[in-house]
Amino acid sequence: AQSVTQLDSHVSVSEGTPVLLRCNYSSSYSPSLFWYVQHPNKGLQLLLKYTSAATLVKGINGFEAEFKKSETSFHLTKPSAHMSDAAEYFCVVSGTGFQKLVFGTGTRLLVSP
Amino acid sequence: EPEVTQTPSHQVTQMGQEVILRCVPISNHLYFYWYRQILGQKVEFLVSFYNNEISEKSEIFDDQFSVERPDGSNFTLKIRSTKLEDSAMYFCASLQGDTQYFGPGTRLTVL
Repeated sequence: AQSVTQLDSHVSVSEGTPVLLRCNYSSSYSPSLFWYVQHPNKGLQLLLKYTSAATLVKGINGFEAEFKKSETSFHLTKPSAHMSDAAEYFCVVSGTGFQKLVFGTGTRLLVSP
Repeated sequence: EPEVTQTPSHQVTQMGQEVILRCVPISNHLYFYWYRQILGQKVEFLVSFYNNEISEKSEIFDDQFSVERPDGSNFTLKIRSTKLEDSAMYFCASLQGDTQYFGPGTRLTVL
């Protein structure tokens, strides 16, 4: 069975400072990993994905994540937070192709001026 | 850019009533999914659908739930007799390659 653990339920940063949202995964085979973002009262938007190509993945809005097999981690980072980054972020794992997505519990990112 | 759409955005119903949530997946996609998110909890898989039949379903997806693709564009989730605990945000998704694209969700409130 596959699972993801998001290590922080809330992360607070100041605008202009770096963002780090942590995610560890468990999978019996090579997983596909995703980060989705959910703004208040909005749907789920794909930020980036890892599917066994380059281990450093760049996404939208300046976010990136690094797949580290030895640490079973897929942490999300951004060099400089913006107020508009305030949202809920979900780390997600799936098997190959059409398989269901398994979501983490989410990390709420708070950005203060 | 093509998007997954869902209607209605909000649905309020009485316990025991039937509801149908509607989704229009992206037109050339072939795999479809329903997920739900109870307030304050994580997003949970309900069911996947391909070639007019269910590919996989979770233990949440019991006999009260059904899915259908009644025509070439719509994908529906029916709850036959709603319970209070069915109150949640329901998301539809469709698959392209290895990525699922989500609709904006339908917020279902059961009173």
